[in-house]
Amino acid sequence: AQSVAQPEDQVNVAEGNPLTVKCTYSVSGNPYLFWYVQYPNRGLQFLLKYITGDNLVKGSYGFEAEFNKSQTSFHLKKPSALVSDSALYFCAVRDIMDSSYKLIFGSGTRLLVRP
Amino acid sequence: NAGVTQTPKFQVLKTGQSMTLQCAQDMNHEYMSWYRQDPGMGLRLIHYSVGAGITDQGEVPNGYNVSRSTTEDFPLRLLSAAPSQTSVYFCASSLGRGLNTEAFFGQGTRLTVV
Repeated sequence: AQSVAQPEDQVNVAEGNPLTVKCTYSVSGNPYLFWYVQYPNRGLQFLLKYITGDNLVKGSYGFEAEFNKSQTSFHLKKPSALVSDSALYFCAVRDIMDSSYKLIFGSGTRLLVRP
Repeated sequence: NAGVTQTPKFQVLKTGQSMTLQCAQDMNHEYMSWYRQDPGMGLRLIHYSVGAGITDQGEVPNGYNVSRSTTEDFPLRLLSAAPSQTSVYFCASSLGRGLNTEAFFGQGTRLTVV
């Protein structure tokens, strides 16, 4: 069965420091991987995706993610965190073998960036 | 650009009542879906549609119905509300039926069943 794990409920970083939000996945076939961000009382906003090609994907607001097939991971990173990055982050996967095309989400990681 | 529009934003229902959550998108997306978001559980798929006239069940379909008579609209109907359906509901749409397209989400409907 497809699944996504985000092992940290919350990540705390100081402004200006690098941040990493972890994500691992399990699918039958090749994965299509996504990161979304949710600000309070808002819907989810797309940040970036990995489909194929370069393992390092760049996205919105200076975020990037690294796809590691051997470790089945897709960690979200940013070189220098901003207080405004504080939000709830979701990793999601689509399985190329699943004809429903559904997105499977992780449980979310709350990022808190302190000034 | 409206994107995905959900109404209402907030709703309180009594146990046993029925209601319809509305979702409309103006991007001509074929794929639409409904999720519920509960604390610590991420988003779980309720129902989805790959095009007008075609719907199917997701992970947690019990107690919900959907229909897709047009490309733009994908309403979610609660048949007989239960406290376990207290949640935040999100509608999403994606371009085409491709695996590689990102989903666009509405602002959500916060539903409380008392």
